[in-house]
Amino acid sequence: QVQLVESGGGVVQTGGSLRLSCAASGFTFAVSPMHWVRQAPGKGLEWVAFVSNDGSLDSYADSVRGRFTISRDNSRNTLFLQMNSLGADDTAMYYCARHREEGSFDYWGQGTLVTFSS
Amino acid sequence: SYVLTQPPSVSVAPGKTARITCGGDNIGRKSVHWYQQKPGQAPVEVIYSTTDRPSGIPERFSGSNSGNTAALTISRVEAGDEADYYCQVWDSVIYHWLFGGGTKLTVL
Repeated sequence: QVQLVESGGGVVQTGGSLRLSCAASGFTFAVSPMHWVRQAPGKGLEWVAFVSNDGSLDSYADSVRGRFTISRDNSRNTLFLQMNSLGADDTAMYYCARHREEGSFDYWGQGTLVTFSS
Repeated sequence: SYVLTQPPSVSVAPGKTARITCGGDNIGRKSVHWYQQKPGQAPVEVIYSTTDRPSGIPERFSGSNSGNTAALTISRVEAGDEADYYCQVWDSVIYHWLFGGGTKLTVL
């Protein structure tokens, strides 16, 4: 069955960096575009970033463009999110999700938590 | 920029029908997707492409979309349906994805 397992979350300080990973299994990762979606504590869902199946195309929410970079290693079935210049507004649960051709997110991981320390 | 508007909360008695709306400018021209999220859990897709149900989602869940309003309808509501529900659309031109603010469904 499809499994997405995020890791790499933790406590960060102003201006810090963090690299999130998402290990995929149960499907052909190399043909699947992927996303990161985040959710601040007690708030709604916010799409963060998209990467095409081969990594040649990416797209970012305005709130993270220029600070975050999405990438993937198809040989290791792993999705990444490099987060730089972090601030309090980036505190959230970060989910990886598989892209469905129709434009939705058909499978989600359980998330990894990024919290901010001043 | 495009905005999706959902009511913060909807309440319904068990066995009745719940309708959760998602408003947007000419949203009827877009494909709308819906997610259910229970406390402490990841979201689960319950409707995609406005009316399609993923495998394993009960027929009680259905979607519609016309004009400026899309809707998720849950028939014969059960206690286990209590959750937050989010609508979502995709701008395939600029490759951006957008969620509504979410609706908390309370089963009385």
